[in-house]
Amino acid sequence: QVQLVQSGAEVKKPGASVKISCVASGYLFTTHDIHWVRQAPGRRLEWMGWINAGNGQTKYSQIFEGRVSLTFDTPASTAHMELTSLTSEDTAVYYCARGAWNYDLLIGEPAFDIWGQGTTVIVSS
Amino acid sequence: ELVLTQSPGTLSLSPGESATLSCRASQSISRSFLAWYQQRPGQAPSLLIYGTSSRATGTPDRFSGSGSGTDFTLTISRLEPEDFAVYYCQQYGSSFQFTFGPGTKVEIK
Repeated sequence: QVQLVQSGAEVKKPGASVKISCVASGYLFTTHDIHWVRQAPGRRLEWMGWINAGNGQTKYSQIFEGRVSLTFDTPASTAHMELTSLTSEDTAVYYCARGAWNYDLLIGEPAFDIWGQGTTVIVSS
Repeated sequence: ELVLTQSPGTLSLSPGESATLSCRASQSISRSFLAWYQQRPGQAPSLLIYGTSSRATGTPDRFSGSGSGTDFTLTISRLEPEDFAVYYCQQYGSSFQFTFGPGTKVEIK
């Protein structure tokens, strides 16, 4: 069964950083991108960026450029998202999601077909 | 920068009725690059429709997508209790970036 399982909730002080993990299982990790999306309370989904889990190529939303870093650990089939210089505006649920395009089979679509359960990040002094 | 708007913001309907949700882009986008997601309360989003009109694995056939250019539609025929949720459209645009619309909430009347 294909799934993404994220690390647990975090509470951080303003100015701190947070690093969230996303463990993939049920498929070959390196064949799909991992995207990160966040949702502040009562707000729309906000795409943060993606990482190609095969070659490490990344693309970040301009909104988060300079504050977000996406990495991965292939043997552990785990993707990480680190967000720095946190403010209260960063209080949100953060999701990882699998890009549907399969780089090995060269099939799929520009959409997110599997999502993690979400990680709540609260930024408060 | 491409912006997606969705209407209405909230749709109040009864089970068994049909729902028509609109997603409008600020500039023309390829049909291949428009997707719809469903988000139930307290849950992660799930992919419903990709490429404007293709149902994702597990999406019931009462869900259908259509549109082109700047105007796209998600139709839900015969609403079931589990369909009351928030629906987001998403586009894949230039510079390899993705954008979500603000969402339409389908609530029980």
